[in-house]
Amino acid sequence: QKEVEQNSGPLSVPEGAIASLNCTYSDRGSQSFFWYRQYSGKSPELIMFIYSNGDKEDGRFTAQLNKASQYVSLLIRDSQPSDSATYLCAVNMDSNSGYALNFGKGTSLLVTP
Amino acid sequence: GAVVSQHPSWVICKSGTSVKIECRSLDFQATTMFWYRQFPKQSLMLMATSNEGSKATYEQGVEKDKFLINHASLTLSTLTVTSAHPEDSSFYICSAVRQGALETQYFGPGTRLLVL
Repeated sequence: QKEVEQNSGPLSVPEGAIASLNCTYSDRGSQSFFWYRQYSGKSPELIMFIYSNGDKEDGRFTAQLNKASQYVSLLIRDSQPSDSATYLCAVNMDSNSGYALNFGKGTSLLVTP
Repeated sequence: GAVVSQHPSWVICKSGTSVKIECRSLDFQATTMFWYRQFPKQSLMLMATSNEGSKATYEQGVEKDKFLINHASLTLSTLTVTSAHPEDSSFYICSAVRQGALETQYFGPGTRLLVL
């Protein structure tokens, strides 16, 4: 069973702080890693993806990937109350499922004013 | 952008009826679409992979005769829940992979199904 693990939280950070979300995965063959944000009752929306080891920045978001440690994280700088949501880590599945994604259970983030 | 729509957004039906959910990619062509299901407080679980012009590939434990998938064009996939029962009540979400943007999935807004 290929697993994607996330701390369910809730993670509470004050407005303006950095939120750090972590994810580990079990399949060493995984090549693509995604972060999605999901508001309650809504479908996920893509924040960013990362393929290579290291950091990838997009606005207030930075994804970090360490394939040797099988670890991917998402940093949110200058957190805003509107960032309060569940953040889903997703890892590509094997080729039998094409480009399907294996999702973690998500980390609930609460940004307090 | 890459917009994916789903219809309907909400369905309430009686046990034993069949429900069809449509997933459309509005501004791009999608050779592959995926169907997920999400129960409360759970993550998304892949049900099946839908490829245009061919039979869908179902994940282990998903009954293909119960969840009928048709991907008749590059912009439309449908999921039909046949003889729905209360345990089928869930949030059904489709996603589409844009041609040329492999591995990036764009999700539809989801369809919430309640079977009474």
